[in-house]
Amino acid sequence: SQTIHQWPATLVQPVGSPLSLECTVEGTSNPNLYWYRQAAGRGLQLLFYSVGIGQISSEVPQNLSASRPQDRQFILSSKKLLLSDSGFYLCAWSPGFNQPQHFGDGTRLSIL
Amino acid sequence: GENVGLHLPTLSVQEGDNSIINCAYSNSASDYFIWYKQESGKGPQFIIDIRSNMDKRQGQRVTVLLNKTVKHLSLQIAATQPGDSAVYFCAEISRDSSYKLIFGSGTRLLVRP
Repeated sequence: SQTIHQWPATLVQPVGSPLSLECTVEGTSNPNLYWYRQAAGRGLQLLFYSVGIGQISSEVPQNLSASRPQDRQFILSSKKLLLSDSGFYLCAWSPGFNQPQHFGDGTRLSIL
Repeated sequence: GENVGLHLPTLSVQEGDNSIINCAYSNSASDYFIWYKQESGKGPQFIIDIRSNMDKRQGQRVTVLLNKTVKHLSLQIAATQPGDSAVYFCAEISRDSSYKLIFGSGTRLLVRP
């Protein structure tokens, strides 16, 4: 069966520091991959999606970037974190478009 | 984890009763709908989905109803259990942008013992 892993679960970073969050999927090949952010008490906002290695689409202009160096690896990065980057970041995968998306357990990012 | 239930509408039900969680959508081009359950500190968990060529779909203890005329979606949980307590989100995908899952604002379900 397919599984999705995100780490770390919790991260506290100072303003201006870099960020790297990693997500890996097992048990499937060539998945679509997604990064979402969830604000407290709200639904999820799509940040990036990828349909293949090296292919990244950005949904909203922001301080973050994404990369997909391997088929089942998706990384969310920033060179310099802002206070507004705090939030709960979720990675998801799906077999294709118009299919269920399955989520990891997220990373809670706090910027001080 | 994230406190996803702080300012959400809340449905409180007695253990053993049936629960109905409602969701309205506005995009008439949406043709695929998913219900997710999110527990504190966890990611959303897929519950059930329905495509626009159907108006009802059943799973284990759950039923999703879709009324395209009034753009309304509901999730029915039979014999609600304490483990059903969570925040529930409906999400939709439009045929115009099939990569993008649009989430509703969520409903918190509390099950009283």
